[in-house]
Amino acid sequence: KQEVTQIPAALSVPEGENLVLNCSFTDSAIYNLQWFRQDPGKGLTSLLLIQSSQREQTSGRLNASLDKSSGRSTLYIAASQPGDSATYLCAVRGQGAQKLVFGQGTRLTINP
Amino acid sequence: NAGVTQTPKFRVLKTGQSMTLLCAQDMNHEYMYWYRQDPGMGLRLIHYSVGEGTTAKGEVPDGYNVSRLKKQNFLLGLESAAPSQTSVYFCASSYSFSKADTQYFGPGTRLTVL
Repeated sequence: KQEVTQIPAALSVPEGENLVLNCSFTDSAIYNLQWFRQDPGKGLTSLLLIQSSQREQTSGRLNASLDKSSGRSTLYIAASQPGDSATYLCAVRGQGAQKLVFGQGTRLTINP
Repeated sequence: NAGVTQTPKFRVLKTGQSMTLLCAQDMNHEYMYWYRQDPGMGLRLIHYSVGEGTTAKGEVPDGYNVSRLKKQNFLLGLESAAPSQTSVYFCASSYSFSKADTQYFGPGTRLTVL
């Protein structure tokens, strides 16, 4: 059974810092891995999707990497801003599966 | 283009009451999903649909029923609500199951069962 873990559960950093969020998964037979952002009381917004054949994806100040063999992904946020404060969720889709398996998220706070 | 919308946003039920949550998408997506989000449990898939008139069970289907009579709508029903069904419910949709396709989420429905 696929399990997804995100560490740390919460992170607080000053504005302007570069930071890394971590995601690990137990079964390396994945179809893709996605990073989502969730603002309080809101739905999820997809940030980046990495297909199983890819190593990384970039969007603006965000860069996500995938290492299937070690069961790890990282989300790198450059030059953090207060508007980046949110919960970041990692989700993996297994090969042949219809569902996403989510981690419990990292609650990020960027202090001005 | 509204994306994925959910009705209602909030609801309080008494144990044993029934209700239906409505999800609508205007992106012509084939696939639709219902998740619940609970503290410490993450998001878990309840039911999903791969097209109009089809439904399938997800990870935690017990106590819920679904229907997809129209391509743009996916309904989640609770026939006899229980306190364990207190949760935030999210609907999502995607164009396909392709490895390149992401899921688009609605804003959620916060349900409390007393």
